[in-house]
Amino acid sequence: AQSVTQPDIHITVSEGASLELRCNYSYGATPYLFWYVQSPGQGLQLLLKYFSGDTLVQGIKGFEAEFKRSQSSFNLRKPSVHWSDAAEYFCAVNNGNQFYFGTGTSLTVIP
Amino acid sequence: SQTIHQWPATLVQPVGSPLSLECTVEGTSNPNLYWYRQAAGRGLQLLFYSVGIGQISSEVPQNLSASRPQDRQFILSSKKLLLSDSGFYLCAWAGTDYNEQFFGPGTRLTVL
Repeated sequence: AQSVTQPDIHITVSEGASLELRCNYSYGATPYLFWYVQSPGQGLQLLLKYFSGDTLVQGIKGFEAEFKRSQSSFNLRKPSVHWSDAAEYFCAVNNGNQFYFGTGTSLTVIP
Repeated sequence: SQTIHQWPATLVQPVGSPLSLECTVEGTSNPNLYWYRQAAGRGLQLLFYSVGIGQISSEVPQNLSASRPQDRQFILSSKKLLLSDSGFYLCAWAGTDYNEQFFGPGTRLTVL
């Protein structure tokens, strides 16, 4: 069965510091992978997605993610975090007509 | 451009009362539609998805039901709400290529 694991429930970083959010997936074939961000009380917004090709994908708001097949990972990174990046982040994998989400990582940014 | 609407935005209901949440999509045809529930501090739980009018797949057996009376309308219902039904309900749609899901703004449901 397909599954997505986000091992970090909560992460705190200082503004200006680098960020990496971890995501591991379990899937039989090459998956479609996604990162979404959710601000409090809002819906989810797509940050970036990977289908094929270059394993380093660029997204909105300065985020990027790297697909590593050997590690079954799709970690999200940002070189310098801004206070407005504080939110909940979800990794997801697509299997046909269904999308499977991780439990999310809550990001706190301290000044 | 495509947009997705959900209403109401917030709802407070007593235990045992009925529920109807509505989701509509504009700017696309034959979307795949989804209902998720997000409990406090938890991830997204897929409740129902639909690939067409009248076609509903249930992921989690519970006292909720879904219907799709029109191509771009998706309704989540309950005859009698439970305390455990409280949460944040998100509607989403995806195109036939499933290369992205687009989410609505959500409905915050509190059952007292």
